[in-house]
Amino acid sequence: GQSLEQPSEVTAVEGAIVQINCTYQTSGFYGLSWYQQHDGGAPTFLSYNALDGLEETGRFSSFLSRSDSYGYLLLQELQMKDSASYFCAPQDYIPTFGRGTSLIVHP
Amino acid sequence: DVKVTQSSRYLVKRTGEKVFLECVQDMDHENMFWYRQDPGLGLRLIYFSYDVKMKEKGDIPEGYSVSREKKERFSLILESASTNQTSMYLCASTTRAGENQPQHFGDGTRLSIL
Repeated sequence: GQSLEQPSEVTAVEGAIVQINCTYQTSGFYGLSWYQQHDGGAPTFLSYNALDGLEETGRFSSFLSRSDSYGYLLLQELQMKDSASYFCAPQDYIPTFGRGTSLIVHP
Repeated sequence: DVKVTQSSRYLVKRTGEKVFLECVQDMDHENMFWYRQDPGLGLRLIYFSYDVKMKEKGDIPEGYSVSREKKERFSLILESASTNQTSMYLCASTTRAGENQPQHFGDGTRLSIL
């Protein structure tokens, strides 16, 4: 069957580093995407990992281990504007979105 | 930039009405999707379409139908609206299925069924 697990909520302070974990089980798998969604806004694409390892894009990095069916999103130098929901989406023929992780950044 | 436009930002309808939600994309994308988003439940796929006149059921198709008569337009239809269909509805599109094809989302339609 298919399953997707990520924490429901994570809190951190400005300037800190936070890691949002994602474990998945899908029938087919091309790669793992991450999306960000601010309250009242549309989800926007952040990153995609097709191969094992770390992909860095500015303050955000995303990691994938295909053998462990595991990935994470790493956010560095947190800013207040990073407060949002973050969705991991394993990509089969179409992506699967889960319940997302609400990140709350405190001053 | 890809633009996905949903016809209404907010919509209020009555139980039993037939409701149409429209979505248009301007980048000649093959694939289009309809999701609903509810607090604590994340994004759930209702239907998707990989070509004109082609559609596939997602995870929660009951009570919904879709129409794709033109490549750029994907409509979600609530045949007889019920209060449990009150939700945020999001449309998305991609160039093709699989691999690294980011989904581009519209701003959403917040639908209330009274």
